[in-house]
Amino acid sequence: NAGVTQTPKFRVLKTGQSMTLLCAQDMNHEYMYWYRQDPGMGLRLIHYSVGEGTTAKGEVPDGYNVSRLKKQNFLLGLESAAPSQTSVYFCASGQIYGYTFGSGTRLTVV
Amino acid sequence: AQSVSQHNHHVILSEAASLELGCNYSYGGTVNLFWYVQYPGQHLQLLLKYFSGDPLVKGIKGFEAEFIKSKFSFNLRKPSVQWSDTAEYFCAVRGNNDMRFGAGTRLTVKP
Repeated sequence: NAGVTQTPKFRVLKTGQSMTLLCAQDMNHEYMYWYRQDPGMGLRLIHYSVGEGTTAKGEVPDGYNVSRLKKQNFLLGLESAAPSQTSVYFCASGQIYGYTFGSGTRLTVV
Repeated sequence: AQSVSQHNHHVILSEAASLELGCNYSYGGTVNLFWYVQYPGQHLQLLLKYFSGDPLVKGIKGFEAEFIKSKFSFNLRKPSVQWSDTAEYFCAVRGNNDMRFGAGTRLTVKP
């Protein structure tokens, strides 16, 4: 099925560890996004990309880095995880007519 | 950048009751407006969207929304809710290249 695939689905990190979340889409979308979802705060945009090789900051970019080396992939990196980064992370891709979301990655930082 | 406010945090209704969820946005330019639904344990799914034309838009599962430009609002409505509508609902505004979401409204429908 066409769509957005996120890996991994679950992860537990210790404070200070690093990790990379992968988002892959097979719909040839130019735009890709990383959001975090926290209770009572909705989805907040971390970083986004409007095409291969481009990235831009969203609402809450601190502590995260991203890369879009290939059009179909958008990577989200945490260089030194902190407990405040415990969240559910959603990737989305799309054009102006709406986005398709991945199933999310639940990250716990202890 | 655009911002979105959803004033109802948690709404509890009985089946067959009518629903209206409020959404207000702030943005100076042309916006595209969306409502997404998230069922428990699932990712977001698009309910409906507005880009231009008729300000009353119809979406899936009997939902509709009305864009009132003068009020910067895009409220979601459904005449008669079902137990299966229990979910979290997010209003979103797209301006420029990104989409911003409201904090969400949790809807609980009692059978």
